[in-house]
Amino acid sequence: QVQLQESGPGLVKPSETLSLTCTVSGGSISAYYWSWIRQPPGKPLEWVGYVYYTGTTNYNPSLKSRLTISLDTSKNQFSLKLTSVTAADTAMYYCARSRDQYRNSWYLYWGQGALVTVSA
Amino acid sequence: AIQMTQSPSSLSASVGDRVTITCRASQGIRGDLGWYQQKPGKAPNLLIYDASSLQRGVPSRFSGSGSGTEFTLTISSLQPEDLATYYCLQDYTYPPTFGQGTKVEIK
Repeated sequence: QVQLQESGPGLVKPSETLSLTCTVSGGSISAYYWSWIRQPPGKPLEWVGYVYYTGTTNYNPSLKSRLTISLDTSKNQFSLKLTSVTAADTAMYYCARSRDQYRNSWYLYWGQGALVTVSA
Repeated sequence: AIQMTQSPSSLSASVGDRVTITCRASQGIRGDLGWYQQKPGKAPNLLIYDASSLQRGVPSRFSGSGSGTEFTLTISSLQPEDLATYYCLQDYTYPPTFGQGTKVEIK
């Protein structure tokens, strides 16, 4: 059974960089699409971006200028870095894997989520 | 980005009731729509993909239909464990976009 686990600081200061890692177990990261999805408190879900196992990325245009998602196949991990954060970036951040190997969609496996608060 | 509008935003129904949630897309998305269930404090769970395909392991009381711009999620007989917020997601074009959610409560 594939399992995902987010890790990283729960508190980030405004204007600094938010960094999270997702560790994958029970399966290889060398296939499928690996995404980040976030949810501000009490609000709907927002797709952040993905990295394909080849290293190809695609980002939400609303975050593209501040966002980097990368893959570390040796550690079976992928990561998110979001620069110049503001309070609007406060959210539960989920990592997720696509249902299908060749299509980034229908996120089937999810981490439990990591709450990141942006505050001085 | 394509806007996904769900209705209602919340509903209250009794155990055994038939419940229908609607999701409308701001432009046609063929059948590239999925439905997720999110229980309080948990990550979302995939129920339906490609508008009407039931994800393995999901109870058969859940069903999806629609194409183009209008889609529905139906729970044929509401159960206490169905207390959750339900989200639609369009996968037709980037960025993928979710609806604002429908909160289902049990009377």
